[in-house]
Amino acid sequence: DTAVSQTPKYLVTQMGNDKSIKCEQNLGHDTMYWYKQDSKKFLKIMFSYNNKELIINETVPNRFSPKSPDKAHLNLHINSLELGDSAVYFCASSQWDGDYGYTFGSGTRLTVV
Amino acid sequence: AQSVTQLDSQVPVFEEAPVELRCNYSSSVSVYLFWYVQYPNQGLQLLLKYLSGSTLVKGINGFEAEFNKSQTSFHLRKPSVHISDTAEYFCAVSTDSNYQLIWGAGTKLIIKP
Repeated sequence: DTAVSQTPKYLVTQMGNDKSIKCEQNLGHDTMYWYKQDSKKFLKIMFSYNNKELIINETVPNRFSPKSPDKAHLNLHINSLELGDSAVYFCASSQWDGDYGYTFGSGTRLTVV
Repeated sequence: AQSVTQLDSQVPVFEEAPVELRCNYSSSVSVYLFWYVQYPNQGLQLLLKYLSGSTLVKGINGFEAEFNKSQTSFHLRKPSVHISDTAEYFCAVSTDSNYQLIWGAGTKLIIKP
């Protein structure tokens, strides 16, 4: 009964590969997010979807493509992985007009070698 | 535009001593304020939030924070820390016109035995 679940938890892959990270929330929230956390713990918003519509699309390489098949799921696909993509990626959800709190997944630690 | 400054990147403190983690924000409109905690190798978890009303907000694990509008601050305090409080703490702000959370850079709380 995890609120926001991400898979996989760990991902080790070679440069140039394509990989996907999946996220699902069972909170009934209408908004979902992808964050990147670097080695210095800095949180950077990448994308946000509200009711399956892209509402935040920060400056990230176009190798990163989000996809929201429904408001409970938000996936992240990364093409042609580079060493600099190594980070922890967090999915989060919230209710757009709710109490503004985010619920985070436990993260996906991506290591590109 | 809003911004959040966490003045200390690391705060070392002895076990059972009090601690204050500082957060200042910048905004031209009314804000909502949050503290999140990230334990090692985990996702972020909401500690407490200020939406309106009493400026002293109590959260989980014995933490509290005080909203000071004149000082544009939302400092986090705990009267007596435990080794289990070792974590990264993030301050964040949002507004009615922008529900997206704006994050501080984080403060690492280091508990010394």
